[in-house]
Parts: sequence; structure tokens; C-alpha cells
Amino acid sequence: QKEVEQNSGPLSVPEGAIASLNCTYSDRVSQSFFWYRQYSGKSPELIMSIYSNGDKEDGRFTAQLNKASQYVSLLIRDSQPSDSATYLCAVNRISSNTGKLIFGQGTTLQVKP
Amino acid sequence: DVKVTQSSRYLVKRTGEKVFLECVQDMDHENMFWYRQDPGLGLRLIYFSYDVKMKEKGDIPEGYSVSREKKERFSLILESASTNQTSMYLCESGGAGDNEQFFGPGTRLTVL
Repeated sequence: QKEVEQNSGPLSVPEGAIASLNCTYSDRVSQSFFWYRQYSGKSPELIMSIYSNGDKEDGRFTAQLNKASQYVSLLIRDSQPSDSATYLCAVNRISSNTGKLIFGQGTTLQVKP
Repeated sequence: DVKVTQSSRYLVKRTGEKVFLECVQDMDHENMFWYRQDPGLGLRLIYFSYDVKMKEKGDIPEGYSVSREKKERFSLILESASTNQTSMYLCESGGAGDNEQFFGPGTRLTVL
């Protein structure tokens, strides 16, 4: 079992819809969780971090964490074609943003006009 | 406002050559990381450093070494390049603040 698992996709949604990206992790001691966005040919860019159970909102993005289910998700409201990218989930065993991250393989999102 | 730079965007080397990849950050971060990214395998950590002259192995350190003589610079060294080291190499710099993690633009290395 991979430490961090994501459905590779592609996930296709129409413009204006909600895109839901999911990630599961295997190590219960994991403490902090990150979502990166990577456009084709570019390097990853950190868009959200979450450390506590529940929801964390930032603009059109909402990260959701459920440690009991070992599940973290990213919701993108009012999806735009510019949101089309690969989204990487990353997990850290340390309760901070330092330390080594374990990355999932990423989910490709396609937002169709 | 470039924050993390890497010495080359594209590099072509021959088998057996010694290869240096450099990463420089201007944010006074203590933490720096080297990853490689391959299709189907995702991002994998090679080495990381929490401070000057300090280094720790990541998940795939074999065939690589690193150097951090100054806080702003973290170098990845391929002592004797092999074809299976053809990959995209990404440097990341991280600070203590929330969302304070930045990747460099990447170096696409091809070993012939």
C-alpha cells in the first residue's frame, strides 16, 4: 500500500462546477497535510495546508481533513479552465511544515469551458 | 520576485560524468530539499537539509550526494551519472511560517 494515494484521473468537470480531489494516507501518526498545484511543464506550487480536523477555506479552495478516516480532500468551487492542472497531496509526520513530505502521484483536473 | 532558483533548466550529460545541480533561495530558509519527479512515480525525496552543513538522506539517496556550505545554497551532486538518473530535479525551500514552501523551476537532466 502506498503511503499517500490519489486517483490519477483525469477528473473532468464543467466550468463553474465544484471539483473534489481526494487523498488517503496510511500512517496514522501523520500530522500535517498539503495540497500543491502543478501546471504542465512547471514546478509544484503550494496552495493549501491543513493541520486540524475539519475544513479550512481560502478563497475558492477548501481543504478538508478527517484523521480518523485518514482522508484529506480539496474542493475547488466555481472551477475555472485555469484550474486545469495536476494536484498533488503531501503528508508530513511532523506537526509543522518542516520535515520531509511524502507525495501522492497527483490527480489531473480538467475544467472544460 | 523569484524566490528559488536552479542553475540550469535543461542539462544533457554523458554516462560517468560528474554532475552538479545548484539551488539558491533568497528567503533565509533553514530547510531545503531535493526531489526527482518521474512519470508514474511522482515526487521522491533524494536528500534534505535543516541547516548549514547538515544533511539527511531521503527515500532514494543512492547515487547522489549533497552539499550545504551556505544557508542559501543547496547543491545536488551525481558522482557518476547513469541513464537511470535522467529525470526532472526539483529543489524546494521551506520556512517556519504557514504556506512558506517554494519549489524552484526544476532542472530536466538527460543522461546519454
